[in-house]
Amino acid sequence: AQRVTQPEKLLSVFKGAPVELKCNYSYSGSPELFWYVQYSRQRLQLLLRHISRESIKGFTADLNKGETSFHLKKPFAQEEDSAMYYCALSGLILTGGGNKLTFGTGTQLKVEL
Amino acid sequence: DVKVTQSSRYLVKRTGEKVFLECVQDMDHENMFWYRQDPGLGLRLIYFSYDVKMKEKGDIPEGYSVSREKKERFSLILESASTNQTSMYLCASRSDVRRQGSGANVLTFGAGSRLTVL
Repeated sequence: AQRVTQPEKLLSVFKGAPVELKCNYSYSGSPELFWYVQYSRQRLQLLLRHISRESIKGFTADLNKGETSFHLKKPFAQEEDSAMYYCALSGLILTGGGNKLTFGTGTQLKVEL
Repeated sequence: DVKVTQSSRYLVKRTGEKVFLECVQDMDHENMFWYRQDPGLGLRLIYFSYDVKMKEKGDIPEGYSVSREKKERFSLILESASTNQTSMYLCASRSDVRRQGSGANVLTFGAGSRLTVL
């Protein structure tokens, strides 16, 4: 089985403060991890994926296989970062092909002025 | 440049009604998905289609069925709507990872269909 845990439903930080959105996963094989984001009244969209190893909008995430974590970090939060963030794991092969993508329950990030 | 279009943004239906949610993508993607999004529960996979006329149950298929007669269209059907199916429904599509490689393993989502069952 594959599972994604996001322990915080809501994270509130002040503008300019560091942000860390936690994500832990459970999967026996080699997973691919993602962060998706949904801004207010917009579609859910990919923020970043661990295989790209890039920074998007100042966010980074490192896959830690020992701790089975993929926490999302940003050193200085901006007001426009306020959104719902979902961690997702791609692992098990579905019948017929393709990987099953499992999402966490999401964390609402609120950046206050 | 909208790529995944869900036909209805808001629907209000009565208990017992048959409900159709339509999703069309213009990216020639092989895989299409239906999720429901509920506060505190995240996104849960209802059904997945890996090709035309092919389907596979997700994590919560009970009370739902799907149809994929054409590559670009994936329909979600609620045979007899119930109040616990009140939710936001998200459609997504993706290229076949087996053919396109892991770089294709990214979902493109529609805007969502908010269904209220009274």
